[in-house]
Amino acid sequence: DGGITQSPKYLFRKEGQNVTLSCEQNLNHDAMYWYRQDPGQGLRLIYYSQIVNDFQKGDIAEGYSVSREKKESFPLTVTSAQKNPTAFYLCASSQGVKSNQPQHFGDGTRLSIL
Amino acid sequence: AQKITQTQPGMFVQEKEAVTLDCTYDTSDQSYGLFWYKQPSSGEMIFLIYQGSYDEQNATEGRYSLNFQKARKSANLVISASQLGDSAMYFCAMREGETGTASKLTFGTGTRLQVTL
Repeated sequence: DGGITQSPKYLFRKEGQNVTLSCEQNLNHDAMYWYRQDPGQGLRLIYYSQIVNDFQKGDIAEGYSVSREKKESFPLTVTSAQKNPTAFYLCASSQGVKSNQPQHFGDGTRLSIL
Repeated sequence: AQKITQTQPGMFVQEKEAVTLDCTYDTSDQSYGLFWYKQPSSGEMIFLIYQGSYDEQNATEGRYSLNFQKARKSANLVISASQLGDSAMYFCAMREGETGTASKLTFGTGTRLQVTL
C-alpha cells in the first residue's frame, strides 16, 4: 500500500546526542515536510523540501538538520543544539506545493530525553 | 495575530447528532487553501476535507462538510451523524499563496471532540 513510513515510533535521546528520525514515502510525491507537535498545540513546520537536493527552513529550524538525497526519503536529525527536543514529530508529503494539494502524514515519532 | 483560530478547546456531541467545529483564519492572500485534519489518540494526522479560496461551493466529503464564509474568514467543519469513532482532535489548517510559496501549512491549536452514547 502507498503511504508514509516513519521510524522509530519511539526514540530516546541522551544529553548531547544527535538522533535521526526516518521518513520514507512511496507515493511518488515531490514535496516532503517535517513538523513538530507539542502537547495541546498544533503543528509547527521545521523544514520542507520541494524537490530532491533542495530544502528550506520552516518556522522552528534551529537545532535541526535535514537531507533530501532521494525523492522518497527525508530524514530529520535532531542535534544537540536543540535544547528542548521532547515532542511528537510528524513527517508529511504532498504531490506538489500548490495551495490545493493536501499533505499526507505518517504515524509520527515520539522523542523523549533520557 | 493568529493565522488560524480554533476557539473551542473541547466539544461534546451525542452519537448520531451533528456537530460544528469552528475555525477562523487571517490572510491577506487572495489564493489560499483551507484543510481539516483529524488526529486520533494514536497520533496520525488524517486529511478530511479541503476548501479553496476561489471555490464557490462548500466542500463536502461523506459526513464531513465545510461551511465556508469568505467574508467572515471562517471555515467551520460540520460532522453529520456523529459516530463514536469520530472522537479525536480536529485541526484546521491553511496554506497561503500560489506555487512556490504555498508549501507551509499553518495549523490551529485544535478542538478535542468527544462523542457520547
